[in-house]
Parts: sequence; structure tokens; C-alpha cells
Amino acid sequence: GNSVTQMEGPVTLSEEAFLTINCTYTATGYPSLFWYVQYPGEGLQLLLKATKADDKGSNKGFEATYRKETTSFHLEKGSVQVSDSAVYFCALSNYKLSFGAGTTVTVRA
Amino acid sequence: KAGVTQTPRYLIKTRGQQVTLSCSPISGHRSVSWYQQTPGQGLQFLFEYFSETQRNKGNFPGRFSGRQFSNSRSEMNVSTLELGDSALYLCASSSEGQATVDTQYFGPGTRLTVL
Repeated sequence: GNSVTQMEGPVTLSEEAFLTINCTYTATGYPSLFWYVQYPGEGLQLLLKATKADDKGSNKGFEATYRKETTSFHLEKGSVQVSDSAVYFCALSNYKLSFGAGTTVTVRA
Repeated sequence: KAGVTQTPRYLIKTRGQQVTLSCSPISGHRSVSWYQQTPGQGLQFLFEYFSETQRNKGNFPGRFSGRQFSNSRSEMNVSTLELGDSALYLCASSSEGQATVDTQYFGPGTRLTVL
């Protein structure tokens, strides 16, 4: 079946630090991969996506590359801000979205 | 375009009651999916509706049901509520549905508390 495993949190960083959240997946076929972000009290917002191997998704300074050989889709940002504090979810799309457990990120000023 | 809207935003019910949640998708979107989010189980897929038909279903008991209307608005119903049904229920819409690479757009959710 399809499943997503992402780095356990919580993660606490200082402003301008480098952020990496690891995500690996198991899937049949060729799924699309996504990162969603959830701010407190809100629903999920799409952060970025990649639809095929070697695609790089990017948005708001965040990047992730679809690596078929390592079945990974790690999220990175070079310099985080306090406003990046949120829960980040890795997900894959087959006939449904399968989510990872979520990683809580807190950025301190 | 207006985003996905869900009503109500908050609900408090007691065990044994039933509840109906509503979701209005983005205009032009024909697919609506429902998810349950809890601290213990994370985000779990409930079901997807496309053009008024349930197309896919997750592993939830029959107490959880849904429907979709001709204007693509969707409702989900939970009967005989249990304490474990307390959760954030999220609705997501997309143009063609989950079988494609369509992006799903999420609403703010309905927070259900069962006492």
C-alpha cells in the first residue's frame, strides 16, 4: 500500500537557520508528492508539489526534489523566519492523499 | 475565487447524537474529499465524491456517510457519535479528483467535540 514517513518533531530553530524535514514514501506506481502546511487553527495549505521523478517543487523559499531512487521528498529552506512556525505534512497522491504524521516546526526570534 | 468553506466551524455534541457537516468547494470543482484529523491518528481519508457519486472510501465504519449535491456542495454525517469521533474534519476540493495530479484545496475545517 501507500504510506509516508516523515521526520518526527518537534523541531525548534532560530531565525535564519537552515531547515530540513525528511520524508520518505512507499507507493505503487508513480504518485505525485506534496508538502502541505498547517498554521494554528487553520486548514491545510499546499506549499509545493512534484508530479514526477527529479521534479523540484518550490514556493516561498521552500524546496523539495522528487527522488525516485531513494523514494524521498525532503523539504528544505535556507533561512527560516518566525512566520514559518507551523506543522508541515508530506503527502502522496494515488486515489487519495496519504499523509505523514506531520512535523511541528517552531522558529524563535 | 472564493476558497473552500466549511460550516459550522465548531460543534459540540454528546455521545449517541448525530451530526451533519457541510462543505462548499471552490467554484467549478467537482471533487470533494473528506478527512479526519486527530492527534493520535493524524490525517485519515474518509471518502471522496465526484459528480454526486462516492468514488473512493477510506476505512471508517458505516456511521460515517456523505453525499454530494448537483452544485458540488457536500455534506458528511456521523451517526451515533462516540467520544473518539472528536476531531477536526477537513474538506478538500479539486477540479477532477484524486485519481489525477490535481491539487486539493482544503477548507479551514470543522472542530467537532463529543462529550
